[in-house]
Amino acid sequence: DTGVSQNPRHKITKRGQNVTFRCDPISEHNRLYWYRQTLGQGPEFLTYFQNEAQLEKSRLLSDRFSAERPKGSFSTLEIQRTEQGDSAMYLCASSLAGALNTGELFFGEGSRLTVL
Amino acid sequence: TQLLEQSPQFLSIQEGENLTVYCNSSSVFSSLQWYRQEPGEGPVLLVTVVTGGEVKKLKRLTFQFGDARKDSSLHITAAQPGDTGLYLCAGEALVNAGNNRKLIWGLGTSLAVNP
Repeated sequence: DTGVSQNPRHKITKRGQNVTFRCDPISEHNRLYWYRQTLGQGPEFLTYFQNEAQLEKSRLLSDRFSAERPKGSFSTLEIQRTEQGDSAMYLCASSLAGALNTGELFFGEGSRLTVL
Repeated sequence: TQLLEQSPQFLSIQEGENLTVYCNSSSVFSSLQWYRQEPGEGPVLLVTVVTGGEVKKLKRLTFQFGDARKDSSLHITAAQPGDTGLYLCAGEALVNAGNNRKLIWGLGTSLAVNP
């Protein structure tokens, strides 16, 4: 399967703990996005990478959130000192972006976080 | 701030009925994408419309991009229970004085088709 894969699919943690999610994009895609989504709502943009460079970070993203894409391939999203409000589905997507377009996004199945 | 408004937010209909979902903005988009998402899964791209006035058909789904490229609609004919899901539109916009492009997402339309 050469789609976008995310793990873990589900994570339950206690408030105050740190969690890390991993995303493996489609191999030839140069862009990688992280989104957060709550039930029945559209995706909320968190950050994105062009190759290994983090080009944009949402102002909604607190300092407790950090993302990396060290070699321009897989990416990790870490949430430190989790809070109950962090409970959501965290979606990763990748695309092959050109100079004139963002490309079509291919999403992973998401990592669902529950903070108790 | 660029916004993309989707309506209706929720829709519950009977099998066989027709429906239309709208995606509206005051901003111009270079293209607009429609996605469908099922519970527990990530969104899956249905179609991309690029040209103002463009109409694309995907079986019982008809997508239209407004002439001014500020709005779009998705029409489903004879809806089936398998059409149930969250329908999302995303417009591609120029940002940073045109040096970059990003996707602006609508909040989605949650569709339930009852047998």
